[in-house]
Amino acid sequence: NAGVTQTPKFRVLKTGQSMTLLCAQDMNHEYMYWYRQDPGMGLRLIHYSVGEGTTAKGEVPDGYNVSRLKKQNFLLGLESAAPSQTSVYFCASSYSDRGNQPQHFGDGTRLSIL
Amino acid sequence: AQTVTQSQPEMSVQEAETVTLSCTYDTSESDYYLFWYKQPPSRQMILVIRQEAYKQQNATENRFSVNFQKAAKSFSLKISDSQLGDAAMYFCAYRTPGSGGSNYKLTFGKGTLLTVNP
Repeated sequence: NAGVTQTPKFRVLKTGQSMTLLCAQDMNHEYMYWYRQDPGMGLRLIHYSVGEGTTAKGEVPDGYNVSRLKKQNFLLGLESAAPSQTSVYFCASSYSDRGNQPQHFGDGTRLSIL
Repeated sequence: AQTVTQSQPEMSVQEAETVTLSCTYDTSESDYYLFWYKQPPSRQMILVIRQEAYKQQNATENRFSVNFQKAAKSFSLKISDSQLGDAAMYFCAYRTPGSGGSNYKLTFGKGTLLTVNP
């Protein structure tokens, strides 16, 4: 039972490089989310998706783009990486938007921008 | 905007003892949901327990229980019979019940690092 799978788990980039983080879920969830976790802070929402083909901005969207071409996948892109984007990135998914439905998280991707 | 505060950056407990982690939140909503997530060194975020604000009864999941005080906007987590595997960062999180816009967001506290001593 894979749940939410994130790839890669670690990555080091140079400033200005681009990359894409992949999130895949096998639970047939409609809703998917990207968060970032910084030291001393809780998780903050970057972007989210309420279904295939839809995306929306979260709390800290600047410098990121996302796509949801397939229901099971949610991609997070950094077009021109900056040191401020050094963080641990978490993807999550949920069955519905009802507040009591828990979000299921992946194991995170540790991204360092030099 | 809703905020979640965890005032204890670190806590420690002896194995088999009981520990309580504090969480307070600020909201003008009357209906909402509260969660405790556990993040072990493996980094995975694991849901521990959840509470609906309209329910007066405190949620319980095996050794984990909450003390939900709606008027005080307090949501503490009690871990009974602590085990070495309970060592982790614990995050309190808040969410409104509605859909759309920022309601999809879980608002997290900064976390409490729990150490379990053998």
